Amino acid sequence: QSVLTQPPSLSEAPRQRVTISCSGSTSNIGKNGVNWYQQFPGKAPKLLIYYDTFLSAGVSDRFSGSKSGASASLSISGLQSEDEADYFCAAWDDSLNGQVFGGGTKVTVL
Amino acid sequence: QVQLMQSGAEVKEPGTSVKVSCKASGYTFRTYGISWVRLAPGQGLEWMGWIRVNNGDTSYAQDLQGRVTMTADTSTNTAYMELTSLRSDDTAVYYCARDVLLAARALDYWGQGTLVTVSS
Repeated sequence: QSVLTQPPSLSEAPRQRVTISCSGSTSNIGKNGVNWYQQFPGKAPKLLIYYDTFLSAGVSDRFSGSKSGASASLSISGLQSEDEADYFCAAWDDSLNGQVFGGGTKVTVL
Repeated sequence: QVQLMQSGAEVKEPGTSVKVSCKASGYTFRTYGISWVRLAPGQGLEWMGWIRVNNGDTSYAQDLQGRVTMTADTSTNTAYMELTSLRSDDTAVYYCARDVLLAARALDYWGQGTLVTVSS
């Protein structure tokens, strides 16, 4: 069971907007920055968003991040078929003294 | 350009050890940390630990304490992760990643992954 909680799957039509939630606690998201990763099957994860809202170099501005309290979210606007992937949130946890990940959200473009 | 090149796939018997290497290029190796993350079949990403390359300080996931050792050789720009007393549930793809301490510990570049299969 992952320390950070994400919905296992989401689906949306092309050109729509999808938002992935990531729920944590005061020892991780509530105190430290959140990073988001995209992963395709058989490939290494790719950094999309760091420190809650900053877009990683070369990443499309259709991706955006936000945070409020101990929860964060990743939004993908103008959804495209190429966005079908698994998305993970992550944050440092001060109580565990380590990085924790969400269980991942599989995004399907209908 | 920044690259992390990992060693090849391994098949190990339960109870033995595995050592995975991660050779860095395209940046000053000692100015960043290296984290190790694994992805087991049907599971989510699991952080294993981190090494601060410039002084060798390490921090390991509590679940792996005592079984994992991370080292870094600044003469060859290579990081290593050794996992001992292997069990079947250690079967996973193991990744090294560059750890940006001042950017919320973001992992901005990743190796290609090393599949470790534990089976008798």
